[in-house]
Amino acid sequence: DIQMTQSPSSLSASVGDRVTITCRASQGISNDLAWIQQKPGKAPKSLIYAASSLQSGVPSKFSGSGSGTDFTLTISSLQPEDFATYYCQQYNSYPLTFGGGTKVEMK
Amino acid sequence: QVQLVESGGGVVQPGRSLRLSCAASAFTFSNYGMHWVRQAPGKGLEWVAVISYDGSNKFYGDSVKGRFTISRDNSKNTLYLQMNSLRAEDTAMYYCAKDSGRYSGAIDYWGQGTLVTVSS
Repeated sequence: DIQMTQSPSSLSASVGDRVTITCRASQGISNDLAWIQQKPGKAPKSLIYAASSLQSGVPSKFSGSGSGTDFTLTISSLQPEDFATYYCQQYNSYPLTFGGGTKVEMK
Repeated sequence: QVQLVESGGGVVQPGRSLRLSCAASAFTFSNYGMHWVRQAPGKGLEWVAVISYDGSNKFYGDSVKGRFTISRDNSKNTLYLQMNSLRAEDTAMYYCAKDSGRYSGAIDYWGQGTLVTVSS
């Protein structure tokens, strides 16, 4: 199985900050990488697929990059509605696997 | 817009069975693969199973293989998860999720979830 490792596991940031989350795969997964947002008590929401493509309706403040084993999610200017937990997920091969999550909290 | 509505969760004793359902609408259900993903209380996301658009291919996570069965009825736009031999560690919110293709693994929409509690 492919292991997905996210860092950091949590971070504190202020409104307007630029935030970057990293995700590393235990083996190369090309660009078969998604980013998912989950707010407390809510269902997950898909943000990005194919490492850098935005899902329909997702604002452009979210961006993704990377290929192979190393990936990043960047939020260009953090807003109150962006405080949430973010997961990466590989879909290069089954079983699908998720990173452990990065909780973005208000400083 | 795409809607996925799970049902069938509840409290069940260890060793018993439960069947979850997911009613899909606002897209052509028979064209897309479907997934179940779960989340134990306070924990991260764990992929459970996938079924291809036509039901001919199914894959399972190691923790549920041999105990859970995913199926679909394209005439009813409904996805199912039959869960047998339930264990305490199966306690979780179970989410139904739509694949962006036939069963690529890229998920684009999620349901609101149904809670399963395994306890005596």
